[in-house]
Amino acid sequence: GAGVSQSPRYKVAKRGQDVALRCDPISGHVSLFWYQQALGQGPEFLTYFQNEAQLDKSGLPSDRFFAERPEGSVSTLKIQRTQQEDSAVYLCASSFTGGNYGYTFGSGTRLTVV
Amino acid sequence: GENVEQHPSTLSVQEGDSAVIKCTYSDSASNYFPWYKQELGKGPQLIIDIRSNVGEKKDQRIAVTLNKTAKHFSLHITETQPEDSAVYFCAASNQKVTFGTGTKLQVIP
Repeated sequence: GAGVSQSPRYKVAKRGQDVALRCDPISGHVSLFWYQQALGQGPEFLTYFQNEAQLDKSGLPSDRFFAERPEGSVSTLKIQRTQQEDSAVYLCASSFTGGNYGYTFGSGTRLTVV
Repeated sequence: GENVEQHPSTLSVQEGDSAVIKCTYSDSASNYFPWYKQELGKGPQLIIDIRSNVGEKKDQRIAVTLNKTAKHFSLHITETQPEDSAVYFCAASNQKVTFGTGTKLQVIP
């Protein structure tokens, strides 16, 4: 497609529930990034893929967070046993090459844990 | 890791005036500095970027400057228009992009 597509746009989860957030990057983009954006803050790095390889997951806040990109295209961010502090907008971005070129961001998934 | 500080956090200007947003970074290895504009309910959109081998770059009403020695970089918007109203983020990258905390710009018609 023409841009980065994320789904769902909004997700309400009960505390303790598992969620899966999907990202469809721009076709042909090698690099894919996940960021977490709390209200009124800048995006915070979570993890980075180059093709199907997860090269950096240093930003994942706990072992409840897991990301995959099995075929080097679509990526899924999974959060297990959600907690209220997980409430945020989760942004996905893709880039033709690596991190030192402009990212194209999706519109994000707003996760609210109640 | 990299730490990017950004100010001001909010900025109100009259239409037609200039707006300036300033950022500092901590990691001397950072060599790529993008700026993003984020409108309500949307993801950040790249508006301009600059690399460490360049001191200044201009694109129509937007210009960025970089002082590598001082680890400072700035965004200048001239002849502001109401549609420039948004949150602006600076960022610094050495393969991984670290964002500042954002500046909410309001252009008053």
